[in-house]
Amino acid sequence: GAVVSQHPSWVICKSGTSVKIECRSLDFQATTMFWYRQFPKQSLMLMATSNEGSKATYEQGVEKDKFLINHASLTLSTLTVTSAHPEDSSFYICSAEGQKNTEAFFGQGTRLTVV
Amino acid sequence: AQSVTQLGSHVSVSEGALVLLRCNYSSSVPPYLFWYVQYPNQGLQLLLKYTSAATLVKGINGFEAEFKKSETSFHLTKPSAHMSDAAEYFCAVRDQAGTALIFGKGTTLSVSS
Repeated sequence: GAVVSQHPSWVICKSGTSVKIECRSLDFQATTMFWYRQFPKQSLMLMATSNEGSKATYEQGVEKDKFLINHASLTLSTLTVTSAHPEDSSFYICSAEGQKNTEAFFGQGTRLTVV
Repeated sequence: AQSVTQLGSHVSVSEGALVLLRCNYSSSVPPYLFWYVQYPNQGLQLLLKYTSAATLVKGINGFEAEFKKSETSFHLTKPSAHMSDAAEYFCAVRDQAGTALIFGKGTTLSVSS
């Protein structure tokens, strides 16, 4: 299957700082990328959907000013957690899909810890 | 609205025993259905998917699932469990390509020797 690379795999940051997470499709053009958040022992909750060149569509309850999503190219989407707080600590996972795909391919996830 | 229900948050089996993880979906149109496996602190790996072709879908690592429209089910099975199968399993659904997956709450599979 196609490869999606997510970086970093883990990050620790201080409260109040911002963190950027990258999601790259390595061998296909990702017209759509999805960002999920996963709390310990829980399922994946969709945060937002981004289409290349368009503004992201956020799910209800997700603060778009806090979780900035950029999808400027067909191979890269970024999620920036701004002014991070301890409650933002979580596992963030991206997935990417091309135009002709019937499945989305997932990155390895990023473990964010805010101290 | 679509939804997925995974019955049983935790399933324990002995090595060599049958694995059965249950998934029921709710969708107003013929869905795409998926099973993913997740190991600790890792992303999701696709085990198999149903996209309206054969109702019995074979996946990786000896897993398979059968789509039963009359029961709105897509249960995951494996004839003989291995220790390496111990992980978190997620069933997911979506109506069409390009839309986000809706995940079930997950089932933790434990395998004992």
